[in-house]
Amino acid sequence: SQTIHQWPATLVQPVGSPLSLECTVEGTSNPNLYWYRQAAGRGLQLLFYSVGIGQISSEVPQNLSASRPQDRQFILSSKKLLLSDSGFYLCAWGLPQETQYFGPGTRLLVL
Amino acid sequence: RKEVEQDPGPFNVPEGATVAFNCTYSNSASQSFFWYRQDCRKEPKLLMSVYSSGNEDGRFTAQLNRASQYISLLIRDSKLSDSATYLCAVFDYKLSFGAGTTVTVRA
Repeated sequence: SQTIHQWPATLVQPVGSPLSLECTVEGTSNPNLYWYRQAAGRGLQLLFYSVGIGQISSEVPQNLSASRPQDRQFILSSKKLLLSDSGFYLCAWGLPQETQYFGPGTRLLVL
Repeated sequence: RKEVEQDPGPFNVPEGATVAFNCTYSNSASQSFFWYRQDCRKEPKLLMSVYSSGNEDGRFTAQLNRASQYISLLIRDSKLSDSATYLCAVFDYKLSFGAGTTVTVRA
C-alpha cells in the first residue's frame, strides 16, 4: 500500500530564515506530487505540482520554490521566510485525474 | 467566481439527525468529484468519490447534479465522531478544493 511521509510535523522559524520541507512517497511509481498550503480557517491552496523528476509547475507566484530530485521525493523551499508563509503545508500524491492522498502535514509558524 | 464553493456552516446537529450540504463548481467540464473529511489540525482524508449515478457508503450518500453543477453529501444517523470539516474537491486539469463545511454533532 502507498504511504506518504512529511517532516517535520511542526516548525517555528524566524522571519528571513530559510525553509526546507520534505515529502516522500512509498509504494507507488511516478506519482503526481503536490504541495498545498492551508491558512487558518481557509481552503487548500495549490502551490506546486510535479508530474515527474525535475518537472515543477507553479500555481501561484510566491516566496517559495519546489524541487523533485527523485521520483518519490518532493521538497518545498524558501530562501527567506515571510510572516505570511505561516500555515499548514500538505504534500499529496495522486495519479492523473484521480483523487489525491495527503501526508500528515507540516505546521509552520513564522515569527 | 471561485472554482469550488461551499457553505462554511457550521451545521450543528443532534446525534441521530440527518445533515446535508452542497458544493458548487464553476467548470462545467469538470470530470471527477470527491468528498474529503478533515479533522481539526489533521490532513484531509478521502471520504468518497462521487459518481454520476450517485453513491452510498454506509450512512454517507453523495450525489452529483451536472445540470446545476453541484455535488452533495448527506449524512444519516449522525454520530459524534462525524464532527469534522468536509471538503469537496473537483477535478478538471487539477484538483480544486472548497474551503470546507464544518459539521458539529452534539450529544
